[in-house]
Amino acid sequence: GENVEQHPSTLSVQEGDSAVIKCTYSDSASNYFPWYKQELGKGPQLIIDIRSNVGEKKDQRIAVTLNKTAKHFSLHITETQPEDSAVYFCAASITGNQFYFGTGTSLTVIP
Amino acid sequence: DVKVTQSSRYLVKRTGEKVFLECVQDMDHENMFWYRQDPGLGLRLIYFSYDVKMKEKGDIPEGYSVSREKKERFSLILESASTNQTSMYLCASGIGSRNGYTFGSGTRLTVV
Repeated sequence: GENVEQHPSTLSVQEGDSAVIKCTYSDSASNYFPWYKQELGKGPQLIIDIRSNVGEKKDQRIAVTLNKTAKHFSLHITETQPEDSAVYFCAASITGNQFYFGTGTSLTVIP
Repeated sequence: DVKVTQSSRYLVKRTGEKVFLECVQDMDHENMFWYRQDPGLGLRLIYFSYDVKMKEKGDIPEGYSVSREKKERFSLILESASTNQTSMYLCASGIGSRNGYTFGSGTRLTVV
């Protein structure tokens, strides 16, 4: 099956700086890549996703890029704020129904 | 907004007990999933279901079973709880077609 690797496992940034989280996937048939944010004590929440026919997608301060040739995709958060502190998970899907998740990145934004 | 409700936030059970974790969604989603979340291991799929009375094994089904008698409810069953099943359990539902999942808030299960 699909294997998704995520780096780094922890990330600390100063408020206002940018944060980048990177994921790679193994199965070239994967065509849907969602990102989830999990705040303390809550379930993961979908924050942005990208389909394989698109190279980049933005939503306010967050953006995701996809490089199908290299089989990697990244989450970019600009102008980070303390409320961005959370665990972030990337995922990949072939069918659009079943997702394979990365191991998570714990992001801390230092005020 | 879609709501996925897990019946318990925290649960403590004894080794050997039969444990039921309940999940209910209110948006008529066909697809429902059970994951467990462990530090450093991310989210691992236990079982999933694409329809009532249908179930499929995920990546780590050993020691678990599921039940889906109604579309909105998906139950995870630990037949005989063991300490290595101490974990955070997350239920999710979705409509597929590359629209992501909605997760519940999770049940933190401790087996002593």
